[in-house]
Amino acid sequence: AQSVTQPDIHITVSEGASLELRCNYSYGATPYLFWYVQSPGQGLQLLLKYFSGDTLVQGIKGFEAEFKRSQSSFNLRKPSVHWSDAAEYFCAVGPSGSARQLTFGSGTQLTVLP
Amino acid sequence: DTGVSQDPRHKITKRGQNVTFRCDPISEHNRLYWYRQTLGQGPEFLTYFQNEAQLEKSRLLSDRFSAERPKGSFSTLEIQRTEQGDSAMYLCASSLRAGGTNEQFFGPGTRLTVL
Repeated sequence: AQSVTQPDIHITVSEGASLELRCNYSYGATPYLFWYVQSPGQGLQLLLKYFSGDTLVQGIKGFEAEFKRSQSSFNLRKPSVHWSDAAEYFCAVGPSGSARQLTFGSGTQLTVLP
Repeated sequence: DTGVSQDPRHKITKRGQNVTFRCDPISEHNRLYWYRQTLGQGPEFLTYFQNEAQLEKSRLLSDRFSAERPKGSFSTLEIQRTEQGDSAMYLCASSLRAGGTNEQFFGPGTRLTVL
């Protein structure tokens, strides 16, 4: 069965500092990987996705993520955090082919200090 | 706005009552998903439709839950005899089965509070 682990429940960074959110997955084949962001009272917005090819993927809002098969990781990064990035971030894995449901991690809450 | 919409956004009900939520997917999307999200957790899959066919149901979907997508467009999720443990955010998502990428687009959710 597939699973996703986000080891950091809560991360606090200062505005302008760099950010890395960790995500580890368990899946038997090549996964489809996603990062979503959720602001209070909002639905989930897709930041970026990995299906195949280049292991470094660029997303919206200046985010990027790197797929490392050997480490079963898909960490999210941003070089300089803005106050508006404060939100909850979810990593998700989905099966390839006749894809169906996504399996989500439990999320990382990001606080940005002024 | 052509995104996924859900109605109502908030629902407060008393234990034992029935509730029904509606989801309108992105118009050309043929797959529709329901997820449940409790406080401090990521969304958990409940069920999914391809067109009007309900193809998969999670064990989380007890007999009190039923979902329909009668014409392959909008979907409803009904919970009968609600319990306090049903309090959660119910999220709907849709996707287009093309190339197998399964990129899912989420609606804003319906927050259910059972008193």
